[in-house]
Amino acid sequence: QSVLTQPPSASGTPGQRVTISCSGSSSNIGSNAVDWYQQLPGTAPKLLIYVNNQRPSGVPDRFSGSKSGTSASLAISGLQSEDEADYYCATWDESLNGLVFGGGTKLTVL
Amino acid sequence: EVQLVESGGGLVQPGGSLKLSCAASGFTFSGSAIHWVRQPSGKGLEWVGRIRTKANTYATEYAASVKGRFTISRDDSKSTAYLQMNSLKTEDTAVYYCSRRTCSGGSCFSDYWGQGALVTVSS
Repeated sequence: QSVLTQPPSASGTPGQRVTISCSGSSSNIGSNAVDWYQQLPGTAPKLLIYVNNQRPSGVPDRFSGSKSGTSASLAISGLQSEDEADYYCATWDESLNGLVFGGGTKLTVL
Repeated sequence: EVQLVESGGGLVQPGGSLKLSCAASGFTFSGSAIHWVRQPSGKGLEWVGRIRTKANTYATEYAASVKGRFTISRDDSKSTAYLQMNSLKTEDTAVYYCSRRTCSGGSCFSDYWGQGALVTVSS
């Protein structure tokens, strides 16, 4: 079981907006910033969102992140077929003294 | 261009040892913490551990699942980090990634990842 809780799957049609949630606790999300990683099939994870809501250069502004209390979310607007991937949230956990990940959400573009 | 390249993966018997390398280029390696993350086939990401910089006394932390069996080290002169894995178990079978940690405003994140190295523990 992952320390951070994500829905195992999400889906949407092209052009739609989808959100992926990430739930934690006071020792992780409640204390530290959240990052989001995108993993396309057969490839390494790629940084998508850092420090809750910052986008690295090259990441489209269709992707946005937010955090409130012990939860965070990733929103993808204007869904495109190339967004079909696994998405992971991550943050530092003060109690475990380690990095923790969500279980991952498989996004399907219908 | 920032690059991280893992090597050293392969097939090893239960109870055996293996050492992975993570060769870095395109940035000042000595100034970055390095994390190792693994991913069993078809499953999610699991943090393995990290090594900090010289300024932070090369401190290491490990996940409970590998503590006492795995050791992370680095050679800044070679811009390379290592993951020494001992007493390997079948459940250690996974693709192992190294990543560079960058910090901004007091928060850190993995902004670059290697391509991964497959470790298979099987008799």
